[in-house]
Amino acid sequence: DAGITQSPRHKVTETGTPVTLRCHQTENHRYMYWYRQDPGHGLRLIHYSYGVKDTDKGEVSDGYSVSRSKTEDFLLTLESATSSQTSVYFCAIINGGRNSPLHFGNGTRLTVT
Amino acid sequence: DQQVKQNSPSLSVQEGRISILNCDYTNSMFDYFLWYKKYPAEGPTFLISISSIKDKNEDGRFTVFLNKSAKHLSLHIVPSQPGDSAVYFCAARPMYGGSQGNLIFGKGTKLSVKP
Repeated sequence: DAGITQSPRHKVTETGTPVTLRCHQTENHRYMYWYRQDPGHGLRLIHYSYGVKDTDKGEVSDGYSVSRSKTEDFLLTLESATSSQTSVYFCAIINGGRNSPLHFGNGTRLTVT
Repeated sequence: DQQVKQNSPSLSVQEGRISILNCDYTNSMFDYFLWYKKYPAEGPTFLISISSIKDKNEDGRFTVFLNKSAKHLSLHIVPSQPGDSAVYFCAARPMYGGSQGNLIFGKGTKLSVKP
């Protein structure tokens, strides 16, 4: 257990509404990540953080923003949700050195209608 | 253009036999490779990894082989058990750019182990 909690676990929202997903970790890890998983695409990196207020874009960052005001929380925001953002979103952390694996949370299933 | 490819969407194996999951990659600048297992409604779970300077890594029933000249990675599970039934993702880390958690994933292979 990597001590990651994602909330909510499920959400249904309408196109055009803002949505914020939360990732909370209990072990003071520096690096945190947001990935999305879609059928036929595997997992793709959206944004990541390497410290409080330090974030960077991943492969599929368009339409998403992130914030990290505290070490333990990494928020993913869809400013205006679209149907193409219907997906399962996973938060992850790294808990070691260079050759340490990512450890994932249990995901948030988001449906945009 | 897909940099990490898992060309078999599914694989069915009898309990007790060997499961071999394959992964091909196109970028010679990957330096670290990982396998994840995923059950429905759960996050991916790390299984085993291998550095590009090695060609084999074992952990219990799981062995990962890396053939750099062929740009090919495989995961062997021996013996296979029904609890191994899951989707398996291959992932690779680029040597340069981004952080250590910036991984490129394959699309996954669904393994079914039949009793």
